[in-house]
Amino acid sequence: DTEVTQTPKHLVMGMTNKKSLKCEQHMGHRAMYWYKQKAKKPPELMFVYSYEKLSINESVPSRFSPECPNSSLLNLHLHALQPEDSALYLCASSTGGRMNTEAFFGQGTRLTVV
Amino acid sequence: RKEVEQDPGPFNVPEGATVAFNCTYSNSASQSFFWYRQDCRKEPKLLMSVYSSGNEDGRFTAQLNRASQYISLLIRDSKLSDSATYLCVVNVFELIFGQGTTLQVKP
Repeated sequence: DTEVTQTPKHLVMGMTNKKSLKCEQHMGHRAMYWYKQKAKKPPELMFVYSYEKLSINESVPSRFSPECPNSSLLNLHLHALQPEDSALYLCASSTGGRMNTEAFFGQGTRLTVV
Repeated sequence: RKEVEQDPGPFNVPEGATVAFNCTYSNSASQSFFWYRQDCRKEPKLLMSVYSSGNEDGRFTAQLNRASQYISLLIRDSKLSDSATYLCVVNVFELIFGQGTTLQVKP
């Protein structure tokens, strides 16, 4: 099973709302990632969790709050977002560790902030 | 200077053509290298890893030159279904994406 599952697939939220994006993998991977992708641009790294610990935060605004409850799950909590935060949010996982391998991506959550 | 650089294209080629994409990276500590394919409004999917000795998968050939910090992807006998964006990805303890090269194969 080489699958990363993201929910929801689409999300429309107002600027005062609180919502969460969810990501799950059962490949035994120990590194999980959140990426943000705007149209016609490459994915931009937001956060990396390695062995359930936040290892990289690419200066992401605090209105995005990641959480890794266990080795299979990764959440991204959203609060007080701006319209410019509308994008495709991609979760990915890889084996983790220093000899990292390829990453597998979920289908993404297409977020619209109104 | 960007860490991973690609020619964004677009590359417009006829079916059956051979097309080559190039990518350069700046961090000599880079450990592993990949080509991903991304279709419009879809997630990136691994096309192939890139090994120092070069590797081939059907119509696709990837090459790595560590001395020049250069990666390439060659697609032979292009098909309409090859139309997509091809992303060069370098692993330096995290995955760093190039901006992608768009390929449009026309009948």
